[in-house]
Amino acid sequence: DAGVTQSPTHLIKTRGQQVTLRCSPKSGHDTVSWYQQALGQGPQFIFQYYEEEERQRGNFPDRFSGHQFPNYSSELNVNALLLGDSALYLCASSRGNQETQYFGPGTRLLVL
Amino acid sequence: QQQVKQSPQSLIVQKGGIPIINCAYENTAFDYFPWYQQFPGKGPALLIAIRPDVSEKKEGRFTISFNKSAKQFSLHIMDSQPGDSATYFCAASTNDYKLSFGAGTTVTVRA
Repeated sequence: DAGVTQSPTHLIKTRGQQVTLRCSPKSGHDTVSWYQQALGQGPQFIFQYYEEEERQRGNFPDRFSGHQFPNYSSELNVNALLLGDSALYLCASSRGNQETQYFGPGTRLLVL
Repeated sequence: QQQVKQSPQSLIVQKGGIPIINCAYENTAFDYFPWYQQFPGKGPALLIAIRPDVSEKKEGRFTISFNKSAKQFSLHIMDSQPGDSATYFCAASTNDYKLSFGAGTTVTVRA
């Protein structure tokens, strides 16, 4: 049973560029949440997708957007990258209205 | 604004010792409290979780203690091993399933 997978594993971008990160949820899961983890800190909630719609959103600017596809996989898009966007981006999946979330390995984004 | 406060930032114990990590919260609407373990370069892995109607929960060598009136909960790692060396995060959520994490505790278990 494959767990949560994310791609790419690492990414280097320059300020002002745009980036797309991808996530495939655990088998049987239909909900995907995205978190940003800065170095030495706990993950911060960005948003959550369920039934292809954004269900919850954290305190992140509109530069952060997402999408969920009919197969429940998801993308996180970040526009106009800033140096402060450098972080580990984590995807977590869960099943419907169950609170248990399982995390993927993350995508390490470095903005230069 | 950190909704979940976690302490200490780091701790070192000898093999067989019992590291204790403490978390406190203010939002009384929180009703789900998981703990995650994270190794360098990896995503957080769910260890154990508790609800406020339970005062203690054990899974293997990991025990959560929960004090609803004090709005505090803690993780104990019994008979700790060098392989337990990792960063541990407490978290909390309401029925919106949006996890709020603590800042993390780096545990080092010396052989």
